[in-house]
Amino acid sequence: GENVEQHPSTLSVQEGDSAVIKCTYSDSASNYFPWYKQELGKGPQLIIDIRSNVGEKKDQRIAVTLNKTAKHFSLHITETQPEDSAVYFCAASRGGSQGNLIFGKGTKLSVKP
Amino acid sequence: DTGVSQDPRHKITKRGQNVTFRCDPISEHNRLYWYRQTLGQGPEFLTYFQNEAQLEKSRLLSDRFSAERPKGSFSTLEIQRTEQGDSAMYLCASSKMGGSTYEQYFGPGTRLTVT
Repeated sequence: GENVEQHPSTLSVQEGDSAVIKCTYSDSASNYFPWYKQELGKGPQLIIDIRSNVGEKKDQRIAVTLNKTAKHFSLHITETQPEDSAVYFCAASRGGSQGNLIFGKGTKLSVKP
Repeated sequence: DTGVSQDPRHKITKRGQNVTFRCDPISEHNRLYWYRQTLGQGPEFLTYFQNEAQLEKSRLLSDRFSAERPKGSFSTLEIQRTEQGDSAMYLCASSKMGGSTYEQYFGPGTRLTVT
């Protein structure tokens, strides 16, 4: 079955710096890759996603890149702010009738003012 | 608020008791998913429904767990004879099947503590 590896497990950056979180997946049939932000005591919040027919997607300060050949995808956050501090999860899915998400173990991002 | 809602938000129960959680998805979302999240881990898939049909169950869903979505709207997840290992956050998500929409939106979760 699918396995998603996520690195690093913790990341500390200064406000204004960029943060990059990387994930790899094992199932070549996966075609949907969302990223979630989870704050303490809350459910995961979808922040950006990418499909396998796209190499890059950007939404303001957040971007995601996908390398299907290498089975890698990454989250890039620019101009980080203290409110970006949270746990970020990557996930992979085959979509369609097998739409369940397989999650990485998460990255705890701390943005220092 | 038209997001996914879950009830209760917290549940403390003694080992051996039965518990039931409820999830109300975003209206017009016909897919509903249950996940379990333990401390320091990502959510793990348990089961999902398309309308009222339960289409897939994970091996994590032991025979003590049962989920229903009788009218294709809200769903319930019941755990019978709870064990301490069942302590976790139980998350519900919904999505709209069809077209190019794969996005799953999560509720706030129900945190279960088994003492």
